[in-house]
Amino acid sequence: AQSVTQPDIHITVSEGASLELRCNYSYGATPYLFWYVQSPGQGLQLLLKYFSGDTLVQGIKGFEAEFKRSQSSFNLRKPSVHWSDAAEYFCAVGASSGTYKYIFGTGTRLKVLA
Amino acid sequence: GAVVSQHPSWVICKSGTSVKIECRSLDFQATTMFWYRQFPKQSLMLMATSNEGSKATYEQGVEKDKFLINHASLTLSTLTVTSAHPEDSSFYICSARDRLAGSVYNEQFFGPGTRLTVL
Repeated sequence: AQSVTQPDIHITVSEGASLELRCNYSYGATPYLFWYVQSPGQGLQLLLKYFSGDTLVQGIKGFEAEFKRSQSSFNLRKPSVHWSDAAEYFCAVGASSGTYKYIFGTGTRLKVLA
Repeated sequence: GAVVSQHPSWVICKSGTSVKIECRSLDFQATTMFWYRQFPKQSLMLMATSNEGSKATYEQGVEKDKFLINHASLTLSTLTVTSAHPEDSSFYICSARDRLAGSVYNEQFFGPGTRLTVL
């Protein structure tokens, strides 16, 4: 069965520190992978996506993610966190055929200390 | 490009009434739209897949008679919560898939969400 796991429910980092949010997936074929950010009471904003090609993907707001097929992972990274990065982050896997559904992870809530 | 709007952005209604939420793709045509529900501090749960001109496909456990979905055009899908009750209070988010997107690029564009509060 397809699934997405975000092992960390909450993460707290100091402003200026580096960040890595973990995402592991289970999918039978080549996955399409996404990271979204959601501020309180707001909709989803796409940070980056992976369809194919280069396994290191650059996104907006200084975020990047690396697709590692051998580890079934798509971890999100940022070298220096800003206070405005505090939000909820969702990893999602999209089907490559059929219904084209997305499966979302449970999310990681990021808190940034000043 | 690829903008999806939702209307209303928030709505308060009395228990027993019905509420309609609209999802529009503004600058592209969407043969497929998706409706999600999000409880506070939780992830998005897919409720149904809406296909233009055909019946929606509901996920297991979602009451199709309670959550009526209509996708009458390539730019509009509606979700009607019938006989709403307080437990239906939630954040409802729609997304749309570009009609011209092939299977190579499976990307959904998300609306800003609608917050429903049932008193």
